[in-house]
Amino acid sequence: GESVGLHLPTLSVQEGDNSIINCAYSNSASDYFIWYKQESGKGPQFIIDIRSNMDKRQGQRVTVLLNKTVKHLSLQIAATQPGDSAVYFCAEGSNSGYALNFGKGTSLLVTP
Amino acid sequence: EAGVAQSPRYKIIEKRQSVAFWCNPISGHATLYWYQQILGQGPKLLIQFQNNGVVDDSQLPKDRFSAERLKGVDSTLKIQPAKLEDSAVYLCASSLMGGRNTGELFFGEGSRLTVL
Repeated sequence: GESVGLHLPTLSVQEGDNSIINCAYSNSASDYFIWYKQESGKGPQFIIDIRSNMDKRQGQRVTVLLNKTVKHLSLQIAATQPGDSAVYFCAEGSNSGYALNFGKGTSLLVTP
Repeated sequence: EAGVAQSPRYKIIEKRQSVAFWCNPISGHATLYWYQQILGQGPKLLIQFQNNGVVDDSQLPKDRFSAERLKGVDSTLKIQPAKLEDSAVYLCASSLMGGRNTGELFFGEGSRLTVL
C-alpha cells in the first residue's frame, strides 16, 4: 500500500550547523503533513505542519518544505542544538479516519 | 494544561496472558487515538475514537485487541491473549476535533509492553 518513508535512518550533525531531514511520501492524495520529534522514552511531540496548498512554512528555528511534484517533504533545523537530538517522524493525514500515518523516523544526533 | 495521561508506564507479561492500558486525554479533546510503536519504527494507528464512537479500527487485530471509550473521555486498550510480537510501546493521543483540519495530536508518554 501507499506509505510515508524517510530517506536516511540516521543523521549526525555538529552543534550550530543546520540539519535537513528528508521524507518521501507516495500517496498523491495526501494534503496534510506534520513533523514530530520523539525523545527517548517519550511520546512524539508536534514540531510543525504544512498543508498541500503551501510549499514552505517556517517556525522557530524550523522550516518545512513541501515539493508536491516529487512527493517530498523536508524539515530544516537552523543552528542545531544538543537538545534537538531525537528521532524525527514525518506523518501524513490519512484518507480515512483522519488519523496520521507515520514514517519510520530519522535519528538526529547532535555532536559538540 | 495537563497532558495525556497513560498507565501503566511499563508492563511485563508472559505470552497468552492479558493486559490492559488506560488513557486519559486532554480535557475537552473529542478525538482519541491508540497507536502501537514497535522498537525502531514509527507509530502505527490501532484505533481512533470520536467521542465514544469508533472512527477507524481497520488496523486493530480484533481477534486479540479491544478498546473502548464508554463515556467519551477515558479509554482502555486490552490485549488478550498477548503474543510475543505485541511487545511495543502503546501510545495514546488526543486532538481537539479529529478532522483533517485539526492539526496537532497530543501524545502521552506511552505504555511499554514486554511479552516474554
